[in-house]
Amino acid sequence: EVQLVESGGGWVQPGGSLRLSCAASGFSFSSFWMSWVRQAPGRGPEWVANIKQIGSEADYVESVKGRFAISRDNAKNTVYLQMNNLRVEDTALYYCARSRSGYWGQGTLVTVSS
Amino acid sequence: DVVMTQSPLSLPVTLGQPASISCRSSQSLVYSDGNVYLNWFHQRPGQSPRRLIYMISKRESGVPDRFSGSGSGVDFILKISRVEAEDVGVFYCMQNTHWPWTFGQGTKVEVK
Repeated sequence: EVQLVESGGGWVQPGGSLRLSCAASGFSFSSFWMSWVRQAPGRGPEWVANIKQIGSEADYVESVKGRFAISRDNAKNTVYLQMNNLRVEDTALYYCARSRSGYWGQGTLVTVSS
Repeated sequence: DVVMTQSPLSLPVTLGQPASISCRSSQSLVYSDGNVYLNWFHQRPGQSPRRLIYMISKRESGVPDRFSGSGSGVDFILKISRVEAEDVGVFYCMQNTHWPWTFGQGTKVEVK
């Protein structure tokens, strides 16, 4: 059974940083692109970033370029999202997803507020 | 960015009756491999979005056959043949042909 479990969310002040983690199991992790998707309260989802199977080649939505970095550790079956210089508008539930598939985690909440 | 426009945004339904949601993309969703990467998701309150349909019309494993997807190019439709109580929530179309991958605004389905 495919499982994606996010962690690392919390409250942070504007300008602060957080690192999200997503532990994957139930599939050959190194064979798949992985993604982060976010959903602000009361709004639709927004696809944030993708990372390819090996290495660091990644894509980012324009609003997070230069501030967020997606990475992965295939030995640990884990994908990360390093979020720097956080803004109030980054407040959202952050989901980990296996790209181009229907597998999503339950999400971890990030709140950016002073 | 590709803009996905759904209609209607609110859909009151009668249980047991059919329903449909439209989605239009601002540009063709045909990828370089010839496939169209158009998906439909359903989200119940407090839950993660669940993908129902991918590549226009392919149902995910375990999705009831009352859900069907159709369309081509820029116009797509999700049909529910007979609405059941568990179908309430928000439906989103989503394209993953062009980066950034984008969602429609969502269609809220509720029982009349």
